[in-house]
Amino acid sequence: DVKVTQSSRYLVKRTGEKVFLECVQDMDHENMFWYRQDPGLGLRLIYFSYDVKMKEKGDIPEGYSVSREKKERFSLILESASTNQTSMYLCASSSATDTQYFGPGTRLTVL
Amino acid sequence: DQQVKQNSPSLSVQEGRISILNCDYTNSMFDYFLWYKKYPAEGPTFLISISSIKDKNEDGRFTVFLNKSAKHLSLHIVPSQPGDSAVYFCAAIRAGNNRKLIWGLGTSLAVNP
Repeated sequence: DVKVTQSSRYLVKRTGEKVFLECVQDMDHENMFWYRQDPGLGLRLIYFSYDVKMKEKGDIPEGYSVSREKKERFSLILESASTNQTSMYLCASSSATDTQYFGPGTRLTVL
Repeated sequence: DQQVKQNSPSLSVQEGRISILNCDYTNSMFDYFLWYKKYPAEGPTFLISISSIKDKNEDGRFTVFLNKSAKHLSLHIVPSQPGDSAVYFCAAIRAGNNRKLIWGLGTSLAVNP
């Protein structure tokens, strides 16, 4: 069965902190994605990766970076968290079939 | 510019009746379409997909119809059940576009007992 896990379901951080969100998939998928979901704005792509050590900017990469050192793991980094980064963060993975499988999400609150 | 549009933010249906969720797109290069379902505080779950070479795909209570000339697709749920209450997202992929999904903003479906 398809499995995407995210390191935390809920996270509270302070402005200026460095934040790491981890995502792991066990399906040997090439592609991995980070989105954020905000009310009325749908899912917005932050970054994606189609291979180890490869990354591409999505629609809203500002304020974020990513790391993919191993095929199964894709990390999202907020270098200096700000209140406007309070959101639901969703990780997904896919193979050549294009269907993306999502993790449960991380609800991040930045105070 | 929203390339995938779900013009109804919300829809309310009686249990047992048909739910029809609509999605319009502007880019004729899209070649694959997907529907996802999302409950609050959970990640989206893949529901059903359709290739642009087809006009219909069915999976149990869920059917997706594609009208390429109108650049329109719809998801039919028959019969609707209270557990179907969720936000439904339409998404599309353009051939050769690094396989990024282009998402609609979602339609919130409420199925009333």
